[in-house]
Amino acid sequence: EPEVTQTPSHQVTQMGQEVILRCVPISNHLYFYWYRQILGQKVEFLVSFYNNEISEKSEIFDDQFSVERPDGSNFTLKIRSTKLEDSAMYFCASSRVGLGGYEQYFGPGTRLTVT
Amino acid sequence: AQKITQTQPGMFVQEKEAVTLDCTYDTSDPSYGLFWYKQPSSGEMIFLIYQGSYDQQNATEGRYSLNFQKARKSANLVISASQLGDSAMYFCAMRVFETSGSRLTFGEGTQLTVNP
Repeated sequence: EPEVTQTPSHQVTQMGQEVILRCVPISNHLYFYWYRQILGQKVEFLVSFYNNEISEKSEIFDDQFSVERPDGSNFTLKIRSTKLEDSAMYFCASSRVGLGGYEQYFGPGTRLTVT
Repeated sequence: AQKITQTQPGMFVQEKEAVTLDCTYDTSDPSYGLFWYKQPSSGEMIFLIYQGSYDQQNATEGRYSLNFQKARKSANLVISASQLGDSAMYFCAMRVFETSGSRLTFGEGTQLTVNP
């Protein structure tokens, strides 16, 4: 069964450094998402992406964050200058369609630790 | 704005028994979808079941069923015949179709422990 994959599974970085989290969505899916989950808290929406542009973003997704689909398979989240509070699990998700009753399939997550 | 509330931080159930995990939601929009996800200790998010606001029947998927009570704005997950592998965090989520686009709004989660 096709699945969303994410690399790396764990990333440790120093405050102020740039990080890029990578995702390979399910191949026939057209909508892509990033969510984050701070340890012990609920999952929060960051951004959705369709047709090579951001379709929606939350208040968390400020100028420090950017997303890109550099080729036909990868979907990346870049954090320009990491802060301690960026430490979280970051989930990539994808879905075949963007409206209506459909499920988003989540990847296994990347645990980002900012020291 | 939409909101999801899960009032049970932790639940315990004996193996082979049924358990209900509560979820209430708040939205003024008539068109929305409700989702349940399972998060094992390994961390991944696994989709379990979906209920649309206009669906006439309660959703079922194997041992999972969704007790959807629209007037009460509740969408409780029922797991029948619990198994040890059901021990995990369970999240209820909602998407309001007209106003929130594609984003899912999650509740705080319920940690389910299945005892042998």
